[in-house]
Amino acid sequence: NAGVMQNPRHLVRRRGQEARLRCSPMKGHSHVYWYRQLPEEGLKFMVYLQKENIIDESGMPKERFSAEFPKEGPSILRIQQVVRGDSAAYFCASSPAWDRVYEQYFGPGTRLTVT
Amino acid sequence: ELKVEQNPLFLSMQEGKNYTIYCNYSTTSDRLYWYRQDPGKSLESLFVLLSNGAVKQEGRLMASLDTKARLSTLHITAAVHDLSATYFCAVDLSGTASKLTFGTGTRLQVTL
Repeated sequence: NAGVMQNPRHLVRRRGQEARLRCSPMKGHSHVYWYRQLPEEGLKFMVYLQKENIIDESGMPKERFSAEFPKEGPSILRIQQVVRGDSAAYFCASSPAWDRVYEQYFGPGTRLTVT
Repeated sequence: ELKVEQNPLFLSMQEGKNYTIYCNYSTTSDRLYWYRQDPGKSLESLFVLLSNGAVKQEGRLMASLDTKARLSTLHITAAVHDLSATYFCAVDLSGTASKLTFGTGTRLQVTL
């Protein structure tokens, strides 16, 4: 059973460009979470999605950031007009709806560098 | 707003020694997670603590949870170099792990 997959693993963008980060949850998992980790810091929650629904986006910046988890295909975190402060590692996690422990399984992360 | 604090932030210890990492949080929760992160890598789940008084052990690591004191500990016994990593605790207020709040992390360095 493959784990959570993220791509790309490394992404370099110039200021003003768009960044698209993809996350494929573990097989059978219908809940996806996105976190951001700045250097030398802990992870910060961004958004929680289920298929075709945003459940909690309280950690998402109000502008330039959006997330989706379509019925088919991976979840996508989109950052428009990137700035240097967006440089960070972005982790996706998934969990199954049926697991009472609700443990989150993390992907390898996408390291975004904005030049 | 929930705050999760870990101490120490950095820990250098010799192989064979024992030490404890502390995780304090500011709001009542009975669900806490411990993760390990190696440099440049993702997070590996270590323990899931689901109730007051929960204690779990795996190898040289033991985690406990005191919900009344809002405190979790990660105890390291007879440290070995392979335990060098950053350790994070994460608190769940939702009851369904839909929004974890992570601590600041403790960077552990075990020297030979």
